[in-house]
Amino acid sequence: DTGVSQDPRHKITKRGQNVTFRCDPISEHNRLYWYRQTLGQGPEFLTYFQNEAQLEKSRLLSDRFSAERPKGSFSTLEIQRTEQGDSAMYLCASSLVLSALTTEAFFGQGTRLTVV
Amino acid sequence: QQPVQSPQAVILREGEDAVINCSSSKALYSVHWYRQKHGEAPVFLMILLKGGEQKGHEKISASFNEKKQQSSLYLTASQLSYSGTYFCGTANFGNEKLTFGTGTRLTIIP
Repeated sequence: DTGVSQDPRHKITKRGQNVTFRCDPISEHNRLYWYRQTLGQGPEFLTYFQNEAQLEKSRLLSDRFSAERPKGSFSTLEIQRTEQGDSAMYLCASSLVLSALTTEAFFGQGTRLTVV
Repeated sequence: QQPVQSPQAVILREGEDAVINCSSSKALYSVHWYRQKHGEAPVFLMILLKGGEQKGHEKISASFNEKKQQSSLYLTASQLSYSGTYFCGTANFGNEKLTFGTGTRLTIIP
């Protein structure tokens, strides 16, 4: 297992286009998170899944953003009608959650989105 | 609400010690520390749990004051490889998503 994998690593798109990112978590991990990070800031929570169920979505997330984890394994994050303000690093993280135990989350390398 | 980290940036000579603080306005269940190098993913360092349990990096220590809703990360005898931006992530209850702080940029010079 090579850790959390994200694809693509970089994406340049024109304003108004749709983009989709993929995240492959560590194989036995049942929880998957999406975060967004802009330069000089900490990661900002977007949404997370427990297996295939989307349990929480940030109120900051507009309706243009949607995420899926159809079989409880990989996840996709889609941004429709991209805007320049969507330019950021999109990070995926996964963890193994067993009952009430708190476990560490491992991050992928991220997808850097530039909207021009 | 986003935890506040201090200092925002620090420059040390190799071998010196550093303390990075993380403070929250809400009651905390756990604090998670990460280090991120430029252009790379955040790397997990340590978890501190309400009640005193810790797990993480063998060369880095941390404390968690539940009453003050604060955590501190202690980097002793710093090495060049310690350079990067340190983030604390906080959770208000077990297995909640993390809310990350503003980050502390640490630069180690020879």
